[in-house]
Amino acid sequence: DAGVTQSPTHLIKTRGQQVTLRCSPKSGHDTVSWYQQALGQGPQFIFQYYEEEERQRGNFPDRFSGHQFPNYSSELNVNALLLGDSALYLCASSLVKWDEQFFGPGTRLTVL
Amino acid sequence: AQKITQTQPGMFVQEKEAVTLDCTYDTSDQSYGLFWYKQPSSGEMIFLIYQGSYDEQNATEGRYSLNFQKARKSANLVISASQLGDSAMYFCAMTGTDSWGKLQFGAGTQVVVTP
Repeated sequence: DAGVTQSPTHLIKTRGQQVTLRCSPKSGHDTVSWYQQALGQGPQFIFQYYEEEERQRGNFPDRFSGHQFPNYSSELNVNALLLGDSALYLCASSLVKWDEQFFGPGTRLTVL
Repeated sequence: AQKITQTQPGMFVQEKEAVTLDCTYDTSDQSYGLFWYKQPSSGEMIFLIYQGSYDEQNATEGRYSLNFQKARKSANLVISASQLGDSAMYFCAMTGTDSWGKLQFGAGTQVVVTP
C-alpha cells in the first residue's frame, strides 16, 4: 500500500518564477492538506482540499494556489516566487478532514 | 485561534532512559485533537500518537504515551526506553472544531539520544 508521494524531491527556482508541486495521497484518502516548513520551524498550514474544493486556508497570500483532481491527487502552485518561499513543502492526506494525517516526504524548494 | 507551545528547543537523553517532551496548548474549542509527530533528518513527518479532548484515558502507542492534563492544557509526550533511532525533531500539533483538519504545530523539540 503506497503512502503519500510527492514530486519533485528537490527544486531550485529563481525569484519571480512559478512552481508546481505535486502530491498523491495514500490509497483510499480523499483529503489533501499542504504545509510549508521553513528551516528550523514547525510546519505552517497553507490550505486543504476535499472534493476538489479548497475547504480551509491558512495565512498565505494568493500567490499560493492549489488544485485537487478527481483521483484526489493535488497540486500546489506558487507564483512570483520570493526568497522567503524557500522551504520544505509537505503534503498530508487523510480519509476525512478530521482524521489522522499521513505526510509525504516533502519537496524542498530553494529560491535563488 | 489555537496556539501550541513547546518550550524545550533541544534535549539530550541517554539510550534506554525515558524522556518527557513538553507541550502546552491554548484553544477556545470545546472539542479538539492533539497529535505528536516525529521528523527525522530526512524530513518526513511520522505520526506517533493522538489524544482526543474527550478521551478520558491517556493515549499510548508502544513506547509512546501522552500525558494529557486537560485543566492545565498540557499534552506531554513520554518516550520510554529511548533508542538511538529516536533522535529526531518532535512536534506537538492540534486541530479543533473550528478548523477541522488544519494542524497547528509547535516549534518542535530536537531530541538527541546518546549511547
